[in-house]
Amino acid sequence: QQQVKQSPQSLIVQKGGISIINCAYENTAFDYFPWYQQFPGKGPALLIAIRPDVSEKKEGRFTISFNKSAKQFSLHIMDSQPGDSATYFCAASIAGGTSYGKLTFGQGTILTVHP
Amino acid sequence: GAVVSQHPSWVICKSGTSVKIECRSLDFQATTMFWYRQFPKQSLMLMATSNEGSKATYEQGVEKDKFLINHASLTLSTLTVTSAHPEDSSFYICSASNSGTSGRSNEQFFGPGTRLTVL
Repeated sequence: QQQVKQSPQSLIVQKGGISIINCAYENTAFDYFPWYQQFPGKGPALLIAIRPDVSEKKEGRFTISFNKSAKQFSLHIMDSQPGDSATYFCAASIAGGTSYGKLTFGQGTILTVHP
Repeated sequence: GAVVSQHPSWVICKSGTSVKIECRSLDFQATTMFWYRQFPKQSLMLMATSNEGSKATYEQGVEKDKFLINHASLTLSTLTVTSAHPEDSSFYICSASNSGTSGRSNEQFFGPGTRLTVL
């Protein structure tokens, strides 16, 4: 019930295209859903995050769509650029309590944007 | 944004030796720190959660006597890999949060990672 399932495992997109990565979760107690970007040899960096009280959040070229009833959320990268080539992880957590905001990560998606 | 540093960024050691990795929150007080390990082309696997001044909580399957975690202050946590073996070679990443048990913020700030190679 703690799993977060992410797809696809890898994604190839042309420059200027839209990259879409999907995640699904089971635990309805999750109340924070971040997306992280990781370059080789570096730690993950927070891209954008959403809470279940909204269905969509947009920051620049990055948008999270959240479907609470389906227990799914997705990351859309508009106008994808070669510099966006990285591994993307979705995650979920529960605020406070004994979880201390512990993150459960998806399996990761390797995004390659061709020039 | 909040900055978390790790030291060293990479370390090579001989089998049987111990290695200490430091994780520091540079501009905020981290009530909670997390330690992860990541194998090539895999996701981050949580090893333990540590709260300042108390014992770390280890995830199932993580040997607490092998991976010693100390969170002595609100800005520093250390992970010591004792009697390291080649199978311990991995990328170790820490993160820090200032949510505490009563806070609502979930946000974690990640360090740059430490590459451990055990020969």
